[in-house]
Formats: sequence, C-alpha cells, structure tokens
Amino acid sequence: EAGVVQSPRYKIIEKKQPVAFWCNPISGHNTLYWYRQNLGQGPELLIRYENEEAVDDSQLPKDRFSAERLKGVDSTLKIQPAELGDSAVYLCASSLVAEETQYFGPGTRLLVL
Amino acid sequence: GESVGLHLPTLSVQEGDNSIINCAYSNSASDYFIWYKQESGKGPQFIIDIRSNMDKRQGQRVTVLLNKTVKHLSLQIAATQPGDSAVYFCAEKAGYSTLTFGKGTMLLVSP
Repeated sequence: EAGVVQSPRYKIIEKKQPVAFWCNPISGHNTLYWYRQNLGQGPELLIRYENEEAVDDSQLPKDRFSAERLKGVDSTLKIQPAELGDSAVYLCASSLVAEETQYFGPGTRLLVL
Repeated sequence: GESVGLHLPTLSVQEGDNSIINCAYSNSASDYFIWYKQESGKGPQFIIDIRSNMDKRQGQRVTVLLNKTVKHLSLQIAATQPGDSAVYFCAEKAGYSTLTFGKGTMLLVSP
C-alpha cells in the first residue's frame, strides 16, 4: 500500500514569493492533516480536514496561508507571500478517521531566502 | 498551557544495549499516546501506541509503558541496532483534540 505522498520534496524561494505544497493521502483515509515542523521541534498542526471540510484551522496563519482539499482526497497548502520565518518542513499526514493513527508523508523542506 | 515534554534530548547507547526513552505529559485528560521515529530527511514513522486503559503494550522489539499516576510515558527498545538511530517523539491526544507532540529525543547507536 502506498504511503502519504508529498511534493515537492524541497523548495527554495525568495521572501515575498508564493509557494505551494501538494499532498496525496493514503487511499481511503478521510482525515488529512498539515503540520509544520521547525528544526529540533515536534510537528505542530496547521489544519485538519475531515473529507473536504476544514474542521480545525485555528493554528493556520490565515493572512498568508491557505489550504484546500477538493473532492476530499488530495490537498494543497499555499503560502503567499512567504516570509523568512516560514522556513521549515511541511508535513502532511492522514488517518482513516480522526481517532485513528496518523501516518506521515516525507515532508516538503522549505527554505525562504 | 498543558504540554508534552521529554527528559533527555540525546541518548547514546551501544549496539545490543536496551534503550529507554522517557516522556512526561501534563494533560490528565489525555487518553491516547503515540511514539514516532523520525530519521533524518524523513517524516515521522509510527512505532507504537497505547490507550489510557492500558499500562503496557509490546511490539516487535519495542515496549511502551504508561504510568498515569505520574503522567509518564516510556519507550523501551530491546537490542538496539544502528538502524534505530533517529529522533523519537512522543505525542498525546485527549478525545477528539489534536495530537500534541513533544520536542523529541535523539537516539544515537554506536556499533
């Protein structure tokens, strides 16, 4: 069974530029999560989707971050414009339902110069 | 606020030794706990989980112990191998709340 797929794996951009990350969850998983992980820290939740509905986006900086999960499968996380402090690893995870174990993708490593 | 934390940032062991990684949590309402392993350049990988109605759970070479009295969680790895070298995170969850991760412990295994 394929795991969570993310792309790109690495991204280097200049500040004020836009950037987008894509995630394909494990087949059949209804719940999808976006996390941000800073160096040496644990992942921190940005947004959680139940199917196509964002049910927890309280930690998403909505002035510059946006996300969508059209048709309740793939998801895209966007930052516009990017700031230096956005440099981090952006992880996508999915679970069968919210109560079940979350499985993570490899992450997208973003460097903002 | 309530949080999950780790006692030891780095643990160095010899190959073949048993390793114990500890985690303290402060949310008494947490009822689900997970250990993840994260290798360099990869996403967190599920190792083992435990619910609050249990105090011990065993997997392949790993055991998780939960002490609700002192709010302590530990991960024991038997016969540690160089491939076990990674950062280990504990995470907790209370009901339908979000999963909260600790800062991680780096395990270094010397051959």
